Amino acid sequence: SQQGEEDPQALSIQEGENATMNCSYKTSINNLQWYRQNSGRGLVHLILIRSNEREKHSGRLRVTLDTSKKSSSLLITASRAADTASYFCATDGQAGTALIFGKGTTLSVSS
Amino acid sequence: SQTIHQWPATLVQPVGSPLSLECTVEGTSNPNLYWYRQAAGRGLQLLFYSVGIGQISSEVPQNLSASRPQDRQFILSSKKLLLSDSGFYLCAWTQFRDGQIYSNQPQHFGDGTRLSIL
Repeated sequence: SQQGEEDPQALSIQEGENATMNCSYKTSINNLQWYRQNSGRGLVHLILIRSNEREKHSGRLRVTLDTSKKSSSLLITASRAADTASYFCATDGQAGTALIFGKGTTLSVSS
Repeated sequence: SQTIHQWPATLVQPVGSPLSLECTVEGTSNPNLYWYRQAAGRGLQLLFYSVGIGQISSEVPQNLSASRPQDRQFILSSKKLLLSDSGFYLCAWTQFRDGQIYSNQPQHFGDGTRLSIL
């Protein structure tokens, strides 16, 4: 069952610009994770944010979580061509089940 | 450090042929293991997970099966492939935690197998 949905589906920016991707979900969560997938490769874990947290940072990444709006955002500051990838959010399913991944946002950063 | 290996990287198979994809993890013990399928332009669909040798949980009924013959080996199989089995298959692991899976653990993925059915 679909839980998180990313928006936009695709995003094209220039190097140096910031990229913002959003994730909306339907039911209450305990935590939310963001992953990156380079073309033809596996997913790489970026950040996990718990439901009692509002913001987390990791290098040029900033993740926010608004449980009242059931949404999260991933901000990549000062984008680089190497940031070109698909980005997925993943949320809890029902209690005791595995993660549910969204369909992802495809980010293209041109130099 | 932990590593995860999947092979083959690409595979082209005729309809009705058998399938065996293998995944192995190094550098950790008793990992939880997962098989996902990713269709073009879509998210990941969890197919199977395992919390121990011989313990397989199926998330989606289909003509695929999984086995875990050794602690760090996870195999995805089919006796007869369908056209709809085409996709990108990903194996992942999480740290062992009291024999259950938890959604608050980062998952670590292999580089996948691109399966094309003709």
